[in-house]
Amino acid sequence: SAVISQKPSRDICQRGTSLTIQCQVDSQVTMMFWYRQQPGQSLTLIATANQGSEATYESGFVIDKFPISRPNLTFSTLTVSNMSPEDSSIYLCSGLEGTDTQYFGPGTRLTVL
Amino acid sequence: GNSVTQMEGPVTLSEEAFLTINCTYTATGYPSLFWYVQYPGEGLQLLLKATKADDKGSNKGFEATYRKETTSFHLEKGSVQVSDSAVYFCALSDRPQKVTFGIGTKLQVIP
Repeated sequence: SAVISQKPSRDICQRGTSLTIQCQVDSQVTMMFWYRQQPGQSLTLIATANQGSEATYESGFVIDKFPISRPNLTFSTLTVSNMSPEDSSIYLCSGLEGTDTQYFGPGTRLTVL
Repeated sequence: GNSVTQMEGPVTLSEEAFLTINCTYTATGYPSLFWYVQYPGEGLQLLLKATKADDKGSNKGFEATYRKETTSFHLEKGSVQVSDSAVYFCALSDRPQKVTFGIGTKLQVIP
């Protein structure tokens, strides 16, 4: 199974700043995704990270707020821009292995003051 | 659209008790079904999966059987341990980029 790492593992940021989260997988997954998990909630898909092209965003998420890059098959970044306290969440990266199984990174715990 | 319904938590059990966490789903196709576990302060880990009707997924003493007739995928374990305390998510996928998660069920096991 794919092993996925993320950094930073947690951060505390000031309102109005931006944070970039990195995700690295140890094998070539077919697809990579970014999720948000708000406190006590389930996971919400932010976008599919596409290699070498613009990410595909889900309803309610926009590129200006959550720019995503995926320069190669095993690496992706998510930026949370112009942060507000409502952005305080866990952000999780995942990779698809095969056709149906997603493996998740450990998450980045973001607190915005 | 697809949906996953899990029993509301939290579930509190004594060590060595029998665990059942109910999960039912609605899907238009023939999805794969999953249980993920999230230990405190960690990300999601795949616990087990089943890809077709009557398949049984199992791992670490946990089991779940894909029941198409009742559209269910209930998680069971015969004897829980304190270390099993976590949040358990039922999920389905009928397309590679689309995973639908349940709300999660928090399990607390007390010694």
